[in-house]
Amino acid sequence: EVQLVQSGAEVKKPGESLRISCKASGYSFTRYWITWVRQMPGKGLEWMGRIDPSDSYTYYSPSFQGLVTISTDKSITSAYLQWSSLEASDTAIYYCARQLDTALANPFDYWGQGTLVTVSS
Amino acid sequence: QSALTQPRSVSGSPGQSVTISCTGTSRDVGGYNYVSWYQQHPGKAPKLLIYDVNKWPSGVPARFSGSKSGNTASLTISGLQAEDEADYYCCSYADSYTLLFGSGTKVTVL
Repeated sequence: EVQLVQSGAEVKKPGESLRISCKASGYSFTRYWITWVRQMPGKGLEWMGRIDPSDSYTYYSPSFQGLVTISTDKSITSAYLQWSSLEASDTAIYYCARQLDTALANPFDYWGQGTLVTVSS
Repeated sequence: QSALTQPRSVSGSPGQSVTISCTGTSRDVGGYNYVSWYQQHPGKAPKLLIYDVNKWPSGVPARFSGSKSGNTASLTISGLQAEDEADYYCCSYADSYTLLFGSGTKVTVL
């Protein structure tokens, strides 16, 4: 069974750093890209970027370039989303999802359960 | 690049059909046959319903169907059921190697 299991909710202060995770199982980890999607409170979905676990090549949406870092550790079939200095506007639910590695246009067929990140002083 | 435009809400009675539109430009929806649709129930992760405009992933009922004309894609839910009450998002591949989601549509079953 394909599963993407994300780390638990986080409460952080502005300026703090954070890394959340997405643990994949039930499929060949290096055959599918992992993508991250943001959903701000009461708002829609936004594509942040994706990583190819086979070689860690990463591509970011222009809206998120330089604001977050996406990484992966294929030895433990996990992907990560990281901030070096959080802002209140980073408060959101973050989803990881997988897509077949042949093209960015491929759909997201499995999703993690989401990680709520709250940034507040 | 802005989000694709969807109606804020649509509603219908059980058994009826509803259609959700997703309007973009020639640089996204109109330029590629790579539109997907996702269903999101409150507090849950999105679920893939349709991909490549009109293809079904395994396990999705055929009463969900997709189409496209010009710069507008559409999702039709036929035989509306209570469990279809949810938010729906379109997503399109776009120029400059990016993906755009729609603004989201809340479907209410009356």
